[in-house]
Amino acid sequence: NAGVTQTPKFQVLKTGQSMTLQCAQDMNHNSMYWYRQDPGMGLRLIYYSASEGTTDKGEVPNGYNVSRLNKREFSLRLESAAPSQTSVYFCASSPGAMNTEAFFGQGTRLTVV
Amino acid sequence: AQKITQTQPGMFVQEKEAVTLDCTYDTSDPSYGLFWYKQPSSGEMIFLIYQGSYDQQNATEGRYSLNFQKARKSANLVISASQLGDSAMYFCAMTPANDYKLSFGAGTTVTVRA
Repeated sequence: NAGVTQTPKFQVLKTGQSMTLQCAQDMNHNSMYWYRQDPGMGLRLIYYSASEGTTDKGEVPNGYNVSRLNKREFSLRLESAAPSQTSVYFCASSPGAMNTEAFFGQGTRLTVV
Repeated sequence: AQKITQTQPGMFVQEKEAVTLDCTYDTSDPSYGLFWYKQPSSGEMIFLIYQGSYDQQNATEGRYSLNFQKARKSANLVISASQLGDSAMYFCAMTPANDYKLSFGAGTTVTVRA
């Protein structure tokens, strides 16, 4: 019953530190996504992976890298964190067809000080 | 590139009344899917309703219905008989068939008053 699992749920980083946000899904979905949500705003797509072995930039990719490790896992890396990357990060997955909804993780609240 | 626009940042609605949330989109792909999600204050994303670009009828799911006007590129969500639990942020989203990139609008905050 896990669905999409994100770790960690909360993280505080110092400016310049690096970290990797982990995301795993157990629904055998093809497509996976990383979004950021700033206070009172919508979800902005950082990167997505339409299928295993492929990744593409979204609207706001600068400062981030991703790895689609296998079909289950899609990680997001911040190489040198900046205060502007303080946000809530959501991972999502979908079967990969336009007529199926995406399922979301619970989010990671990241603060960069 | 696709774009989704939600022009209403916040709305108030009286309990038991209906409310319409606007969504317009822009895409060059003739085949796409439209979605609405709800995000309560607890933060999780909840799928509400789906409309395909080639669907002839407007989608309905319980108290949610989608007013789809393809020529106007409009996909408004109607919530009927509003309940206090409907207070949340609502997002319109779209996936084109050619790349499965799922993009969201800025959202509309709905507050239901007793």
